[in-house]
Amino acid sequence: EVQLVESGGDLVQPGGSLRLSCAASGFSFSRYSMSWVRQFPGKGLEWVSGIYGSGAGTYYADSVKGRFTISRDNSKNTVFLQMNNLRVEDTAVYYCAKDEAPNSGWDFDYWGQGTLVTVSS
Amino acid sequence: DIVMTQSPLSLPVTPGEPASISCRSSQSLLHSNGNNHLDWFLQKPGQSPQLLISLGSNRASGVPDRFTGSGSGTDFTLKISRVEAEDVGVYYCMQALQPPLTFGGGTKVEIK
Repeated sequence: EVQLVESGGDLVQPGGSLRLSCAASGFSFSRYSMSWVRQFPGKGLEWVSGIYGSGAGTYYADSVKGRFTISRDNSKNTVFLQMNNLRVEDTAVYYCAKDEAPNSGWDFDYWGQGTLVTVSS
Repeated sequence: DIVMTQSPLSLPVTPGEPASISCRSSQSLLHSNGNNHLDWFLQKPGQSPQLLISLGSNRASGVPDRFTGSGSGTDFTLKISRVEAEDVGVYYCMQALQPPLTFGGGTKVEIK
């Protein structure tokens, strides 16, 4: 059974940093692209960042480019999102999501339960 | 960036009746491989989003056959042949052609 379990969400002050983790199980992790998607309170979805299975390719939304870094440790079946210089507008539930097919693109067939990041003074 | 536009914003439905949601993209989602990189998700109240349809028309595993995705290029439609009470929630389309991936604003489906 595929499972994605996010952790690391917290209350942080503007300008602060957080590192989110997503522990994956139930599939051949290194073969699949992974992404982070966020949902603002009471609002829609925004894709944040994605990384290929090998870790060779990484992509970011313009809103987080230069502040967030996605990475993965295939030996630990975990994907990370390092979030620096956080802003109030980064407040959201952050989901990790798995691509549907190996070595392909960005169709998300499994999502985690989400972790809440609150940026406030 | 590719802009995704969904309509309607809200869709009151009667159980047993059909429903349809439209999604338009600002540029074609048709890849050279012949696939339309358009996905549909449903987020039920209090839950994470779940994949309904990928590549425009491929029903995800376990998704009831009352859900059908169609369209090509820039115009796509999600149809529910007979709405059931469990289908309530917010439906999102997403272009998966190229990063940055982008979502439509969502369509809230509720029972009349």
